[in-house]
Amino acid sequence: AQTVTQSQPEMSVQEAETVTLSCTYDTSESDYYLFWYKQPPSRQMILVIRQEAYKQQNATENRFSVNFQKAAKSFSLKISDSQLGDAAMYFCAYRSVNFNKFYFGSGTKLNVKP
Amino acid sequence: GAGVSQSPSNKVTEKGKDVELRCDPISGHTALYWYRQSLGQGLEFLIYFQGNSAPDKSGLPSDRFSAERTGGSVSTLTIQRTQQEDSAVYLCASSSTPDREETQYFGPGTRLLVL
Repeated sequence: AQTVTQSQPEMSVQEAETVTLSCTYDTSESDYYLFWYKQPPSRQMILVIRQEAYKQQNATENRFSVNFQKAAKSFSLKISDSQLGDAAMYFCAYRSVNFNKFYFGSGTKLNVKP
Repeated sequence: GAGVSQSPSNKVTEKGKDVELRCDPISGHTALYWYRQSLGQGLEFLIYFQGNSAPDKSGLPSDRFSAERTGGSVSTLTIQRTQQEDSAVYLCASSSTPDREETQYFGPGTRLLVL
C-alpha cells in the first residue's frame, strides 16, 4: 500500500518569507497524482496545488510551487512571500491513477509570524 | 448549493448507539468520498462512490461502518454500535468525474464524539 510521510509536524515562518514543507511517499506505481491541501481552523480542506507524476515540470500556483523529485519520491511545497492567511495545517496526498483512493500524510502545522 | 454540505456539523452520542452522517455533494458531481480524521492525524480514506456504486469498500474500518448513496447524490455514512475510538471528524468530498483531472471539493465535516 502507498504511504505518505510528512516529517515536520510543525513549522514557523516570518511573514513575507519563504518556507518549504516536506513530503515523501512510497509507491511501486509509475503514474499517479500528488496534492497539497490546506486545512485552516474552519476544517474546510482546500486544494492548494496538484502534480501529475508523468509531468516533469513542477507545478506552480501563484505563491505556491512544488519540487517534485520522482526518483526520490519527494514532493515538497514552497510557499513564497508567506502571508498570515497561509497559517493552517497542510496535508500532502497521493492518489493512484487506477484506484480512486487517496492517501494522506499526517500533516504539517504552519505558523506565520507577523 | 455552491459547495459540499454535511450534517450534522457536530454529533455527540453514547457508546453503543447508531449514528448517521449525511453528505450532500456538489450538484452534478458523480464521485463522492468519505474520510475520517482523528485528532491530530491525517485523513483516512474510508470509501468511494462512483454514482451509486462503491467499487472499493476496503477502507471501512469494520463491519460496523456502512455507506450508501442514492440517486447519485446524497450519501449516508452509518456507524452501528459506536465505540469511543470512532470519535473523529468525518469528511466528505465530491468531484465531477474520477478522471485524471479530478479535483476533490471537501465539505466542512461532521465532528463525532462518542461518550
